[in-house]
Amino acid sequence: GAVVSQHPSWVICKSGTSVKIECRSLDFQATTMFWYRQFPKQSLMLMATSNEGSKATYEQGVEKDKFLINHASLTLSTLTVTSAHPEDSSFYICSARDPRVEQYFGPGTRLTVT
Amino acid sequence: DQQVKQNSPSLSVQEGRISILNCDYTNSMFDYFLWYKKYPAEGPTFLISISSIKDKNEDGRFTVFLNKSAKHLSLHIVPSQPGDSAVYFCAASGRNTDKLIFGTGTRLQVFP
Repeated sequence: GAVVSQHPSWVICKSGTSVKIECRSLDFQATTMFWYRQFPKQSLMLMATSNEGSKATYEQGVEKDKFLINHASLTLSTLTVTSAHPEDSSFYICSARDPRVEQYFGPGTRLTVT
Repeated sequence: DQQVKQNSPSLSVQEGRISILNCDYTNSMFDYFLWYKKYPAEGPTFLISISSIKDKNEDGRFTVFLNKSAKHLSLHIVPSQPGDSAVYFCAASGRNTDKLIFGTGTRLQVFP
C-alpha cells in the first residue's frame, strides 16, 4: 500500500517557539494532503486541507496564522505551529490522497509544549 | 455537532467470535464511508470502504454494511483475532470532496 511518512515522530518544545512537521507521500504524488489533530481519547479532527501550489483551506475554528501550512510539492506538505503554547500539545496526523482513491495516513507526530 | 457517531466507546469480544462495530451519521450528503484501524501513537490504517450505491462490501474477514435509510453502517470482523485489538474509526465523506469526517472511535479488545 501507499506510504506516508511524518517527521518528526515526536517533539518537545518550549512555549513560544515554533515547530515544523513534515508530511511526505513516499510512492505516489498527492495533490491534496490533510492535517488532523487528535486529543487523547478523542476523534481525529480535520484542521486543514493542503493543496499543492495554492493556499490551504482551514476548517472553522482553526487559526490559519497559528498553523501555517505549505504544500510546496506533490510529495511534501509542512505544518508549522507558530508560537506554540501548552494547549497546542496534541497528536498531529497528516494524510495524503492517493489518486487511486483512498487516503493514507502518516504515523503521526506527538507535540508536547512545555 | 458530531456528524459521525460511534456510540460504543469500547467492545470486548472473545477470539474466534464476531465483532460488530457500529456507526451512525446525520448528514444525508455523505456518500462514501470508510473504516480505519488505529493503534496508540500511530496513524490510522485503512481497512475497508463502501459507497452509498452499495449496501455491503466484503474483504476477507471484514464486511461493512450500510443502511442508508437508517443512516447507519457497521463493520463485522469474523473471526476476531487478538491482533484486531485496536481503536476503530468510521469516517464519511460527501460528493465532490475528499474531506473525511471521523467518528469518535470504538476500542475493540479481542481476548483469547
